Amino acid sequence: QVQLVESGGGVVQPGRSLRLSCAASAFTFGDYAMHWVRQAPGKGLEWVALISYDGTNKYYADSVKGRFTISRDNYKNTLSLQMNSLRAEDTALYYCARGLRYYTKAMEVWGKGTTVTVSS
Amino acid sequence: QSVVTQPPSASGTPGQVVTISCSGSTSNIGNSYVSWYQQLPGTAPKLLIHENNQRPSGVPDRFSGSKSGTSASLAISGLRSEDEADYYCAAWDDSLRVVVFGGGTKVTVL
Repeated sequence: QVQLVESGGGVVQPGRSLRLSCAASAFTFGDYAMHWVRQAPGKGLEWVALISYDGTNKYYADSVKGRFTISRDNYKNTLSLQMNSLRAEDTALYYCARGLRYYTKAMEVWGKGTTVTVSS
Repeated sequence: QSVVTQPPSASGTPGQVVTISCSGSTSNIGNSYVSWYQQLPGTAPKLLIHENNQRPSGVPDRFSGSKSGTSASLAISGLRSEDEADYYCAAWDDSLRVVVFGGGTKVTVL
């Protein structure tokens, strides 16, 4: 069945970097836009970034712009999020999600998430 | 503070109808499709409604969405105990070039 599995989370000091990955399976990865969405402990959902099906277009939340980079490898069916200059407020559960085929802004399939903790 | 506003809580008894509102502006809800997500405790969000009122396959027709102007609503009819969850609306904001989520509404079945 269609599946997204995130990895790469962990505990990191403020100012350091971390790279998250999302492995996609059972669908044609290169046909779909992909998102990263995060959820701080006890808080609501916060959209982080969106990348188009071919990687041409990328969009970021203001809170991460200039620090995070979304990318994809359509040959390896993998989505990535490079996170630099991490801050305590980046602590969250990070989900990757697949956009709908014909309306990319809605998130149709979600992974279970990977936890990032930024702490000294 | 989110640019899209939802009430923090809503409640109802089994069988009742519960409606959740989502208020935005012309740059987001007013000129974009609205999506709704259900997040059961301890689980990942699930798409309930897309493009204002479309249900993905497998979503019961007890869930319905609507939009008028810069506001949208999610209605849950025939409320069940398993509907206890957090519900989020979301829309593309064409001015900010971002997806905006509402702050979420916790639905309690009394």
